[in-house]
Amino acid sequence: NAGVTQTPKFRILKIGQSMTLQCTQDMNHNYMYWYRQDPGMGLKLIYYSVGAGITDKGEVPNGYNVSRSTTEDFPLRLELAAPSQTSVYFCASRQGNGGYTFGSGTRLTVV
Amino acid sequence: RKEVEQDPGPFNVPEGATVAFNCTYSNSASQSFFWYRQDCRKEPKLLMSVYSSGNEDGRFTAQLNRASQYISLLIRDSKLSDSATYLCVVNGDAGNMLTFGGGTRLMVKP
Repeated sequence: NAGVTQTPKFRILKIGQSMTLQCTQDMNHNYMYWYRQDPGMGLKLIYYSVGAGITDKGEVPNGYNVSRSTTEDFPLRLELAAPSQTSVYFCASRQGNGGYTFGSGTRLTVV
Repeated sequence: RKEVEQDPGPFNVPEGATVAFNCTYSNSASQSFFWYRQDCRKEPKLLMSVYSSGNEDGRFTAQLNRASQYISLLIRDSKLSDSATYLCVVNGDAGNMLTFGGGTRLMVKP
């Protein structure tokens, strides 16, 4: 099993550009999450989904959008990149009462 | 009060030492508890779940104290490779979401 796969691993964006961070999982997990982690800081929840077709905001949703058209995929969209969105983005999935499985992250720099 | 609180450290210990971390949580209805490990610039990885009766996995022992609402992680015979940030994780108000503590940094020195 690949687990949770994130692409790309690294990306540099210019201010105002847009991009989609991809996340896919092959474990048939219902719950999926997007977190960001700034240097030396903890994880902050951006958006989450409890199943296909259902998404909800987390702690820091502004500037981001998500969709969940399938169980496997949970892409995160940045519409107008800002320097404050420079961070490491982690996607995670969960089933039942187990822990999260994280992807290896996307390092995004906005210049 | 934060939902999940940890001492950020760093804890600097010599190889072979025993070190313990505590974590307090605010939601008395929490049912799921975990310790994660995060290496620098890497994703968090599940170290162990924490069960009501306490549990052990090699050099690692986790305990849960529901009355005082804290969990602990004990690491025996510390190795250099144990150097990392340890995250306390608890399920929050919404049962399908987990809340992360800020992490405790451990540095094991030769």
